[in-house]
Amino acid sequence: DGGITQSPKYLFRKEGQNVTLSCEQNLNHDAMYWYRQDPGQGLRLIYYSQIVNDFQKGDIAEGYSVSREKKESFPLTVTSAQKNPTAFYLCASSMDTGGEAFFGQGTRLTVV
Amino acid sequence: GENVEQHPSTLSVQEGDSAVIKCTYSDSASNYFPWYKQELGKRPQLIIDIRSNVGEKKDQRIAVTLNKTAKHFSLHITETQPEDSAVYFCAASIGVGGLTGRRALTFGSGTRLQVQP
Repeated sequence: DGGITQSPKYLFRKEGQNVTLSCEQNLNHDAMYWYRQDPGQGLRLIYYSQIVNDFQKGDIAEGYSVSREKKESFPLTVTSAQKNPTAFYLCASSMDTGGEAFFGQGTRLTVV
Repeated sequence: GENVEQHPSTLSVQEGDSAVIKCTYSDSASNYFPWYKQELGKRPQLIIDIRSNVGEKKDQRIAVTLNKTAKHFSLHITETQPEDSAVYFCAASIGVGGLTGRRALTFGSGTRLQVQP
């Protein structure tokens, strides 16, 4: 069953802690993306990767880091430098750059 | 940076009426314009898309129109039904990081559509 999988579905972070959100796809897509969604708002691009070992910052990259060691995987780390991390995080992939994006089911991150 | 503006932010219609949502974009190199539907707590799902080489595309009760000269595109839903109630997002492929050939979808802020039975 092809698709894009995010885990965990819910995540709680303590102040000053780094957390990593997982994103895996078996669609053989080259491009992968991380978006942040706040209540009642649109999706904002955090990071984008077109190929393995290559990624670019999006509009709101500060306080986040990514890696792309494998084509299938694009994990996002929310660092302690991100002062307001509570949000819904969506990972997506596409066959070509800027093309149709397929989304994972999202991770809801809450700071406690 | 390049952005996408979406209006209205909320839209309430009676069942059976039509709904229209409009978006404008700033990147003249954008060539792909999808529309996504998102239900509460769920992932966005593609409902229709259009590329820059056509002006209109239709799929049953939904249609999208594109005016590249004016840099705006619209979603039209006819014969609305209660199950159409959701948040709708437009998007446009925008250049990323100033690098040629690197593009990502930039999203509008969303329209909450409520269809009253």
